[in-house]
Amino acid sequence: DAGITQSPRHKVTETGTPVTLRCHQTENHRYMYWYRQDPGHGLRLIHYSYGVKDTDKGEVSDGYSVSRSKTEDFLLTLESATSSQTSVYFCAISGRGETDTQYFGPGTRLTVL
Amino acid sequence: GDSVTQMEGPVTLSEEAFLTINCTYTATGYPSLFWYVQYPGEGLQLLLKATKADDKGSNKGFEATYRKETTSFHLEKGSVQVSDSAVYFCALSDRGFNKFYFGSGTKLNVKP
Repeated sequence: DAGITQSPRHKVTETGTPVTLRCHQTENHRYMYWYRQDPGHGLRLIHYSYGVKDTDKGEVSDGYSVSRSKTEDFLLTLESATSSQTSVYFCAISGRGETDTQYFGPGTRLTVL
Repeated sequence: GDSVTQMEGPVTLSEEAFLTINCTYTATGYPSLFWYVQYPGEGLQLLLKATKADDKGSNKGFEATYRKETTSFHLEKGSVQVSDSAVYFCALSDRGFNKFYFGSGTKLNVKP
C-alpha cells in the first residue's frame, strides 16, 4: 500500500469556522490531489499540486485553499466552513509528470453543522 | 472535455454470477484507463489499468479491455463472490496533464 495518511479521519465543526485537513505521504511523489466524494457526484477534484509551492485549481475549488511547503505534506483549508462542504475528502498521490496511477488515502469525513 | 460515463447501480447479483459493469469515455488524446474499487469506509484502491488501445488489464479475476473503436473499458468477472461487494469506479487519465476523470461509481451487491 502507498504510504498516505490523512488527518483527522473524522471531524465535526460548525458553520463559519476554519478547518484544515492534512495529507501526508512517505512515497516522495511529486503530484498530490484533494478530492471530495458526495453521493451522486462521484469524485470531484478540488485542488492539486505538481510540486512544492506549485498548486492549481480543480473543478470545485471555491471555498477551499491549499498549501504545500514540503514534498510530503499537502494541506486543504476551508476558510469558513459551510454545510455544503460536508463531505468525505480524499487525498491522492501520483509519481510522474506523465500520467501515472493515483493512490488514495483513507479519507476524512467532515461534517459541518 | 474528457469524461467518463459508467452504468448506474446498484447492481445486485448472486454469488458465482457473471459481472459486467459498462464504462465509456470521451477523450481528446490517448488516455490511460483505470478501474478502482472502494470498500465501505475505505479509500479507492487500484483494481486494474490499461495504457493503450487493445490492452487488457486484469487483477483478482477482474478484466477490462481498452477498446478505442467503441471508446469503452467494461469491467468483467466470470464468477463474483460476496467479498466483491463494493463500489467500482471507472477513470481515465489525461496524459501530460496528470489529471484524472472519474465516473460516478457503480455499487455492486453480491448475495450468498
